[in-house]
Amino acid sequence: DVKVTQSSRYLVKRTGEKVFLECVQDMDHENMFWYRQDPGLGLRLIYFSYDVKMKEKGDIPEGYSVSREKKERFSLILESASTNQTSMYLCASSHASGVRSSYEQYFGPGTRLTVT
Amino acid sequence: DQQVKQNSPSLSVQEGRISILNCDYTNSMFDYFLWYKKYPAEGPTFLISISSIKDKNEDGRFTVFLNKSAKHLSLHIVPSQPGDSAVYFCAASASDGTYKYIFGTGTRLKVLA
Repeated sequence: DVKVTQSSRYLVKRTGEKVFLECVQDMDHENMFWYRQDPGLGLRLIYFSYDVKMKEKGDIPEGYSVSREKKERFSLILESASTNQTSMYLCASSHASGVRSSYEQYFGPGTRLTVT
Repeated sequence: DQQVKQNSPSLSVQEGRISILNCDYTNSMFDYFLWYKKYPAEGPTFLISISSIKDKNEDGRFTVFLNKSAKHLSLHIVPSQPGDSAVYFCAASASDGTYKYIFGTGTRLKVLA
């Protein structure tokens, strides 16, 4: 069974703080993704990574950075948290080889971040 | 620019009846589509997928239909059960080597007992 875990389920931070969100997957997936989910906007891709130390910007990377030092771990960093970054953050992982159906993304439970 | 649209934010259906969730896309390069289901405080879970070489895929109570000319897909749930109450997201991808999925905005389904 694929398992994607996220370091916190709920997080409250103050404006201007540096925030780290951690994601770990145990299925040796090559690809990892960070999304945020907001009402009426669905899931929007922030950053993704194909391999260790590789990263690509998604649709809304502004205000965020990422780090992937090990294959199983993908971190999302908010350098200086702002109130408009209050959201549900979801991490996902997937394979990068084989048939198309194997590219299905497996999601973690999410981190509800509130910035006050 | 929303490439994948779910125009119905919510849907209520009586238990035992059919639920039909719709999704439209604009990018003709999309060739693989998925539906995900999300309960509150949980991550989305994969439900069913379809490749553009097919027009229908069935898995138990769930069937996805794809109309490529209309750039439209739909998810049918028959019969609907109260446990199906969740937010459903459709997602689309292209064979561009990025492994990215573009997600729709979601439809909240409520199945009434």
